[in-house]
Amino acid sequence: KQEVTQIPAALSVPEGENLVLNCSFTDSAIYNLQWFRQDPGKGLTSLLLIQSSQREQTSGRLNASLDKSSGRSTLYIAASQPGDSATYLCAVRFQGGSEKLVFGKGTKLTVNP
Amino acid sequence: EAQVTQNPRYLITVTGKKLTVTCSQNMNHEYMSWYRQDPGLGLRQIYYSMNVEVTDKGDVPEGYKVSRKEKRNFPLILESPSPNQTSLYFCASSYGKGNTGELFFGEGSRLTVL
Repeated sequence: KQEVTQIPAALSVPEGENLVLNCSFTDSAIYNLQWFRQDPGKGLTSLLLIQSSQREQTSGRLNASLDKSSGRSTLYIAASQPGDSATYLCAVRFQGGSEKLVFGKGTKLTVNP
Repeated sequence: EAQVTQNPRYLITVTGKKLTVTCSQNMNHEYMSWYRQDPGLGLRQIYYSMNVEVTDKGDVPEGYKVSRKEKRNFPLILESPSPNQTSLYFCASSYGKGNTGELFFGEGSRLTVL
């Protein structure tokens, strides 16, 4: 079964700290992996999209890496700010069959001032 | 502004009363999809569409219908809603085939079925 797991489910850090969010997936045959941010009661905002042929993507203070062979991706957030507090979701589009995007259950990040 | 628009954003209804949640995107995307989000279960795909008149089931299609008569619109239809369909619903779209494009989401529609 194609699954996506995010650990930890919640993370609390002080402002200014660099942090890493983890995403693992069960099948290395993927098209791409996408990181999203979700604020309470809101929709999902796309942060970074990594195609299967890529190793990493960067946007501002965010850097996402992809290691298909080990079934892992990380989202690195530099110099965290209280405004980064949100739930971060990882989604993987697996190859084969339907065009299904499988989501992890997310990591709820709290950055304390 | 590029966006995915869902309506209504909030709805309370009663069991059995048919309802439609509309979804429209202005990015000329081929791929559109519906998800529901429930506590502890995360986001699950209901239906998706690769292009006009092409739709297919996701993980949890029971109790739902969709149509794709125009490229920009992908409504979600609940013919006879039941309380277990109380959830937060999201519509999403992407350019090209779903296997390459970045997915953009609407703001969500919170549905309560009494």
